[in-house]
Amino acid sequence: DQQVKQNSPSLSVQEGRISILNCDYTNSMFDYFLWYKKYPAEGPTFLISISSIKDKNEDGRFTVFLNKSAKHLSLHIVPSQPGDSAVYFCAAAVYNQGGKLIFGQGTELSVKP
Amino acid sequence: SAVISQKPSRDICQRGTSLTIQCQVDSQVTMMFWYRQQPGQSLTLIATANQGSEATYESGFVIDKFPISRPNLTFSTLTVSNMSPEDSSIYLCSSRAGYNTEAFFGQGTRLTVV
Repeated sequence: DQQVKQNSPSLSVQEGRISILNCDYTNSMFDYFLWYKKYPAEGPTFLISISSIKDKNEDGRFTVFLNKSAKHLSLHIVPSQPGDSAVYFCAAAVYNQGGKLIFGQGTELSVKP
Repeated sequence: SAVISQKPSRDICQRGTSLTIQCQVDSQVTMMFWYRQQPGQSLTLIATANQGSEATYESGFVIDKFPISRPNLTFSTLTVSNMSPEDSSIYLCSSRAGYNTEAFFGQGTRLTVV
């Protein structure tokens, strides 16, 4: 039962353009969502998060949008840079389940110069 | 932010043996977790490490195979017991200071079982 889904295994974007990474979830109890970036041979690095009481959170080039009715969130990166090339994971948590994060399968982003 | 140190960073082990992975956090944290990332796969939660008590395991993971200790708020170990090639994965330690905060990860332990 995959509660968090990233249906696009890969995405290729031109440098300077917008990257949009998508994530869907099935558990309506999720109330906190996070995006992580992962390079090979490293642990995931936190990017940005959003609480279920919000529909948008912005941090520099990164913006996360949450659509609770559709159980969908997206990460926008603009402008995209070659250094953004990595695997991006979305994750979700439920407040009363001990704080554990459930991860999607990941999307590999390639930003071409 | 928390800095998490994991060791070893990688190991090659013979089947049937056990490996203990250590995780040290540079500050006291409420929650610690162990994840596994199999090749080409997502991060799968193995268990929540509870301070001073037995870990809480996710479906499909059992204490006999993955014993976990957490003697204090900054340190935890995960043992992969009686290893088989199917246990070849990256094992990651994670911590959270509280709810509605980000989780931090160690750099991972890349385990190869031959």
